Amino acid sequence: QSVLTQPPSVSAAPGQNVIITCSGSVSNIGSHYVSWYQQLPGTAPKVLIYENKKRPTGIPGRFSGSKSGTSATLGITGLQTGDEAEYYCGTRDNSLSGVIFGGGTKVTVL
Amino acid sequence: EVLLVQSGAEVKKPGESLEISCQGSGYSFPTSWIAWVRQMPGKGLECMGIIFPADSDTRYSPSFEGQVTISADKSISTAYLQWTSLKASDTAIYYCARSGFSDHGLDVWGQGTTVTVSS
Repeated sequence: QSVLTQPPSVSAAPGQNVIITCSGSVSNIGSHYVSWYQQLPGTAPKVLIYENKKRPTGIPGRFSGSKSGTSATLGITGLQTGDEAEYYCGTRDNSLSGVIFGGGTKVTVL
Repeated sequence: EVLLVQSGAEVKKPGESLEISCQGSGYSFPTSWIAWVRQMPGKGLECMGIIFPADSDTRYSPSFEGQVTISADKSISTAYLQWTSLKASDTAIYYCARSGFSDHGLDVWGQGTTVTVSS
């Protein structure tokens, strides 16, 4: 069981918007920056959002991140079929080494 | 271009030893943490541990302490993940990734190494 909690799945039609939540605690999300990763089927993960809300070069503005207290969210607007993937949140924890990840959320485009 | 290139797929028998590698290029390899991440079949991401190649400072996640060894050779910009006695439950894809953002945000990922352990 992951320290960070994400919904197992979300779905929406093309063009619609989705929000993925990541819930943690004071010792992780409440104290550290959150990153979000996209893993397309059969590929390595790729960072979409870092430091809660920043996008690396090349990531479309349709992807956005935010954090409030001990929760973070990833928003995807104008959903496309190419967005079908698994999405993970990640951060640090004061009592653990390395990175902790959420359990992942599968996004399905209907 | 910043790249992490991992060694190829491995098929091993239970009890055998194994070392897989991750070579960095296009940046100062010694001065960025490298994380090893496991993904078991059909499952999520788990960080096994991290290493700072400049001084080989290594931190293991509790679930992996004593189960694997993480090391690095900064002279050849390469990090390693090693097992002394593989189990069937070690079957997974293993990724290395660079900690390039604050709080170990992982900005560059290797392509992954598939390890299959089967008798």
